[in-house]
Amino acid sequence: NAGVMQNPRHLVRRRGQEARLRCSPMKGHSHVYWYRQLPEEGLKFMVYLQKENIIDESGMPKERFSAEFPKEGPSILRIQQVVRGDSAAYFCASSSSGSGTYEQYFGPGTRLTVT
Amino acid sequence: QKEVEQNSGPLSVPEGAIASLNCTYSDRGSQSFFWYRQYSGKSPELIMFIYSNGDKEDGRFTAQLNKASQYVSLLIRDSQPSDSATYLCADISNFGNEKLTFGTGTRLTIIP
Repeated sequence: NAGVMQNPRHLVRRRGQEARLRCSPMKGHSHVYWYRQLPEEGLKFMVYLQKENIIDESGMPKERFSAEFPKEGPSILRIQQVVRGDSAAYFCASSSSGSGTYEQYFGPGTRLTVT
Repeated sequence: QKEVEQNSGPLSVPEGAIASLNCTYSDRGSQSFFWYRQYSGKSPELIMFIYSNGDKEDGRFTAQLNKASQYVSLLIRDSQPSDSATYLCADISNFGNEKLTFGTGTRLTIIP
């Protein structure tokens, strides 16, 4: 049973470029969450999505960041015009609405470095 | 603003002893909590989930929840060097919108 998959695992972008991070949830999971972990800091919630719906984007910066979870394919977190402060580990987690306990399982993360 | 507080450590425990990790939370309405383990450079790994007052045991791990005191703890019995990691406490927002609010984590070192 494959776990949560994220790609790329490492991404280097120059300031001003775009970064696209992909997440495929665990099989049978329909809820996807994105979290960001800045160096030496805790995990911060960014956005919660279900298929074709953004449920909660209260943790996402208003500008340059967007997320989607289309009917087909992975969830994508998109960062436009990246700045050095965007350098962080971005983790995706998924859960099943049918589990009753809402455990979230994390992918390996994408480490974004902005030069 | 919901907050989850943890002592950042580092916490050093001799091999074979009991490691005790603590977490307090600000939202009196919070219902459920997760404990994750995160090795350096890796992603968080789910250890325990607790939503009822009292203790929940799974192998060498015991989670304790005291809603009156707004306090969650994780006990690790017979600590092993492989338990050395950062332990994250997380409060689930509410059922139906399940975003997690994490503490900053406690770094645990098991001394052989």
